[in-house]
Amino acid sequence: AQTVTQSQPEMSVQEAETVTLSCTYDTSESDYYLFWYKQPPSRQMILVIRQEAYKQQNATENRFSVNFQKAAKSFSLKISDSQLGDAAMYFCAYRRSLNRDDKIIFGKGTRLHILP
Amino acid sequence: EPEVTQTPSHQVTQMGQEVILHCVPISNHLYFYWYRQILGQKVEFLVSFYNNEISEKSEIFDDQFSVERPDGSNFTLKIRSTKLEDSAMYFCASSELRGGNSPLHFGNGTRLTVT
Repeated sequence: AQTVTQSQPEMSVQEAETVTLSCTYDTSESDYYLFWYKQPPSRQMILVIRQEAYKQQNATENRFSVNFQKAAKSFSLKISDSQLGDAAMYFCAYRRSLNRDDKIIFGKGTRLHILP
Repeated sequence: EPEVTQTPSHQVTQMGQEVILHCVPISNHLYFYWYRQILGQKVEFLVSFYNNEISEKSEIFDDQFSVERPDGSNFTLKIRSTKLEDSAMYFCASSELRGGNSPLHFGNGTRLTVT
C-alpha cells in the first residue's frame, strides 16, 4: 500500500526567509502524481503545487517549488520569501495514475508558522 | 472562481442520531469525494463517487455511512447512527477529471461533534 510520510509536525520560518518542508512516500508504482495542499485556519484545502512522476523537471508555482527525487521517493516543498499568509498546515499527497484508483493519499501534515 | 460549498460548517449531534452532511460540488465536475480529518490527525479518504455510484470506499466507510446525489447539484454524506469516534472534520471534494493530475477541489469542511 502507498504511504506518505511527513516527518516534521511543525516548522517555523522568519518572514521573507526560505523554508523547506519534507515529504517521503512509498510506492511500487512507476507512474504517479504528487501534490502539496495548504490548509489555512479557514480550513479549506487548497492545492499549492503538483508534480507528475514521469517529469524530471521540478514543478514551480511562483514562490513555491518542489525538489522531486524519484529514486529517493522524496518530494519536498520549498517556499521562498515566506509571507504571513503562508502560515498553514501543509499536506503532501500521492495519487496513483491508474484510473481505477483515483483517491489521493495524504501525509499527516506539517504546521508552518511564519514569524514576523 | 467556482468553489465547493459545504453546509453546515459545524454540526453537533447526540450519539446514536443520524446526521446528513451537505455538499455542493463545482458544477461541471463529475467526480466526488468525502474525506475525514480527526483533530490533529491526517486527512483520510472515505469514499469516491461517480455516475451515481460509489467508485471506491475505504475501511472507515462501513454500513453506517452512505452517500447520495439526490439531485443535479447536491452530494450528501449520511451517518446513520453516530458514534463518539465519528467526531471529525468532514471534507467534500470534487474533480473535473478522474485520477492522475486532475486536482481535487475541497470545501471548507463540516466539523461534526458527537456528544
